[in-house]
Amino acid sequence: SQELEQSPQSLIVQEGKNLTINCTSSKTLYGLYWYKQKYGEGLIFLMMLQKGGEEKSHEKITAKLDEKKQQSSLHITASQPSHAGIYLCGADGVYSSASKIIFGSGTRLSIRP
Amino acid sequence: EPEVTQTPSHQVTQMGQEVILRCVPISNHLYFYWYRQILGQKVEFLVSFYNNEISEKSEIFDDQFSVERPDGSNFTLKIRSTKLEDSAMYFCASSEWSNEQFFGPGTRLTVL
Repeated sequence: SQELEQSPQSLIVQEGKNLTINCTSSKTLYGLYWYKQKYGEGLIFLMMLQKGGEEKSHEKITAKLDEKKQQSSLHITASQPSHAGIYLCGADGVYSSASKIIFGSGTRLSIRP
Repeated sequence: EPEVTQTPSHQVTQMGQEVILRCVPISNHLYFYWYRQILGQKVEFLVSFYNNEISEKSEIFDDQFSVERPDGSNFTLKIRSTKLEDSAMYFCASSEWSNEQFFGPGTRLTVL
């Protein structure tokens, strides 16, 4: 079965600093998803990557999928308190419009003012 | 902006009781899902639903669980006889034709 490893498990950064979160899959991915979760709340969709080498940006968040489609990184530029939360990567390993997403354990991000 | 809604936000029940968790997916979405997250653990897939039938279910989704789309807007998850280990946050999600799944805020189920 597919496993996703996220690193680091937790991260504390000074406001204004850049940071990177990594997600590694045990198998080749069809789609890679990034979500943000505030403690005890729902998951907010950030981005979906499908093509090897693909990169997407939204505001100050950039996500990349490597050429082999087994690793993704999420980069936040000039972090702000609003970026604090738990970042989850998720993946589906098959081509399907209703495919389950397997999630990683998450990276807890705290921003220090 | 359209969003997935879930009710109730918090449900407390006695072990052995039946619970129904309700979701209203985004109106033009075709695919519906339930996930759960036990406190401190990963978000886990339970079931996907399309065209009024289950597309896929996990090992967790045993005979105690059922899903239904009783009308054109609601999507429900029923747990027939709740157990202590069913205590978790339950998330509904929906997607259009792609697999970009949009999640609701969750229902926190506490089984006593």
